[in-house]
Amino acid sequence: GNSVTQMEGPVTLSEEAFLTINCTYTATGYPSLFWYVQYPGEGLQLLLKATKADDKGSNKGFEATYRKETTSFHLEKGSVQVSDSAVYFCALGGSNYQLIWGAGTKLIIKP
Amino acid sequence: EPEVTQTPSHQVTQMGQEVILRCVPISNHLYFYWYRQILGQKVEFLVSFYNNEISEKSEIFDDQFSVERPDGSNFTLKIRSTKLEDSAMYFCTSGTNEKLFFGSGTQLSVL
Repeated sequence: GNSVTQMEGPVTLSEEAFLTINCTYTATGYPSLFWYVQYPGEGLQLLLKATKADDKGSNKGFEATYRKETTSFHLEKGSVQVSDSAVYFCALGGSNYQLIWGAGTKLIIKP
Repeated sequence: EPEVTQTPSHQVTQMGQEVILRCVPISNHLYFYWYRQILGQKVEFLVSFYNNEISEKSEIFDDQFSVERPDGSNFTLKIRSTKLEDSAMYFCTSGTNEKLFFGSGTQLSVL
């Protein structure tokens, strides 16, 4: 069945460091892939998405490229800020547009 | 930006009691979902609702759960007889085939 695997957290970085959060998936066909972010005390927000192979999603300085050959959708940001501290979820689009979620990766950015 | 509204933000109940979690999705959306997130675990799909009926449900969504759109605007999740393991954050989601919008969640605590 479809599944998503994310790197375990927490990931702790200093401000302005480079960020990578790994995400790999198992799926039949070519599902859409998503990154969602959950800031402390808030709900889930779509960060970026990609709908087909080699697509690059980007938003707020974050990027992720849909890599079919490695079944990956790693999240990257060149220079993180304290305000990026949150939990990041990788998700895969299933049937009826429902989402299959990774376990989430907590990101802590220290000033 | 339009938003999905969930009430209450926090619900405390005794084991065996019925609870109704309420959601006002974004008008003109066609797809509606409930997800839940048990503390420290991944987000789990519960049910999807389209064209006024359930289109898909997970194994979690057993006979104790039901969903309704009682008046064409609200979207409710009912748990008939709550169990301790139902304690979680419940997210309502509405969307189109382009984007999903999440509510900020209802924290359900079953004592």
